[in-house]
Amino acid sequence: GENVEQHPSTLSVQEGDSAVIKCTYSDSASNYFPWYKQELGKRPQLIIDIRSNVGEKKDQRIAVTLNKTAKHFSLHITETQPEDSAVYFCAASSGYALNFGKGTSLLVTP
Amino acid sequence: DVKVTQSSRYLVKRTGEKVFLECVQDMDHENMFWYRQDPGLGLRLIYFSYDVKMKEKGDIPEGYSVSREKKERFSLILESASTNQTSMYLCATLFSGSYNEQFFGPGTRLTVL
Repeated sequence: GENVEQHPSTLSVQEGDSAVIKCTYSDSASNYFPWYKQELGKRPQLIIDIRSNVGEKKDQRIAVTLNKTAKHFSLHITETQPEDSAVYFCAASSGYALNFGKGTSLLVTP
Repeated sequence: DVKVTQSSRYLVKRTGEKVFLECVQDMDHENMFWYRQDPGLGLRLIYFSYDVKMKEKGDIPEGYSVSREKKERFSLILESASTNQTSMYLCATLFSGSYNEQFFGPGTRLTVL
C-alpha cells in the first residue's frame, strides 16, 4: 500500500519567517495530495490540495509544490503568524481513501 | 456547510466491553471513513464505506468492525475493547465523483481501562 513519509516532525519558526514541510510517497498511482491543518483540540481541516497534473498551487501565504518524478510534495507557509501554530498533515491518494503522513507540529513564536 | 457529528466527545470503557462509536453526516455524502489518531502516528484508516452496507478494510482493521445501514450514519464497533484501543477516533465524509475535501467530525476520545 501507499506509504507517506513526512518531515520534520516538529518545526519551530519565528513570526514572519517561512516554514517548509516535506512529504514523500511511494505509490506512483497517487494523484491527489491534500494538506490538513489541525489546531489543538479541533478537527483536521483542508487548507490546500494539489492534483498530479499541476506542479504548484498558491493560496495567499500558503503554497504546495509537487514533483511527481521524485514522488515528493511540499507545503510552504510564508510570513508565518502565531495562528499558524498547529499540526499539519500531508496525504496522498489514488482513490477515495487518504494515506496520511505522521504530522508536523509547527510552532510560530512571536 | 457540511456537518459531521460524533456521538460522544469523551468515552471511558472497561476492557472487554463492546463499544459503539457513531458518526452522522447531513450532506448526503456516499463515502464515510473511520480513523484513529495517536501521537506521532498521524491518522490511520480503520475502515471506510463507499455506500450503504458496503465496507472496505483500511490499514488497521483488526479488533474493529463497522456498520452502515443508512447513508447518513456510519458506526465503528469495538467487539471487545482493549487498552491498546485507547485513542482519538475521527470520522470523515467525502462526496464521490471528484477529488474532494474529506470533512472530519470533532472526534471521540476513547479511554479503555
